[in-house]
Amino acid sequence: NAGVMQNPRHLVRRRGQEARLRCSPMKGHSHVYWYRQLPEEGLKFMVYLQKENIIDESGMPKERFSAEFPKEGPSILRIQQVVRGDSAAYFCASSPDTGRGEKLFFGSGTQLSVL
Amino acid sequence: AQSVAQPEDQVNVAEGNPLTVKCTYSVSGNPYLFWYVQYPNRGLQFLLKYITGDNLVKGSYGFEAEFNKSQTSFHLKKPSALVSDSALYFCAVRDGAYNTDKLIFGTGTRLQVFP
Repeated sequence: NAGVMQNPRHLVRRRGQEARLRCSPMKGHSHVYWYRQLPEEGLKFMVYLQKENIIDESGMPKERFSAEFPKEGPSILRIQQVVRGDSAAYFCASSPDTGRGEKLFFGSGTQLSVL
Repeated sequence: AQSVAQPEDQVNVAEGNPLTVKCTYSVSGNPYLFWYVQYPNRGLQFLLKYITGDNLVKGSYGFEAEFNKSQTSFHLKKPSALVSDSALYFCAVRDGAYNTDKLIFGTGTRLQVFP
């Protein structure tokens, strides 16, 4: 059973370009969470999705950021018109989400560098 | 709102000595508490969790944590530290909203174990 898969592992973009980060949850998990980690900082929650639904996007910046988790395929975190401040590690986690305190399984992250 | 605090940015300990990484929490309702570890350039790995039951929770790699309701603390401990335990440690609490497994993380504590 493969773990949470994120790709690409490293992504370099120039200012103004778009970044698309992909996350395939563990098999059997239908809930995905995206977190952002700035250098030397903790993880900040961005968005929580179920299949085809955004449940909680309270941590998403109001502009340029969007996320989806389609019925088929991976979850996508999309950042339009990237700026240098978007440079960070973006982590995806998944859970079966029973609401009974299941642990989250994390991917290895995507390191986004904006030049 | 649920939150956790990690008051120490860094903890230094000699190999073979006991270690403690501190965490306090603030929740409404029953707390679901977690510890995760992050090694360099990696995602987070689950160590242990407290939902209910015994106040002393045992986890991976010889770590344990003590839930203290009166002090609202959930400190991570290990009787004898190893150099390989050097990493970034995160305390987390389940967000009470939506009855999900979404986690809110602390800012992290860097553990440095010296030979």
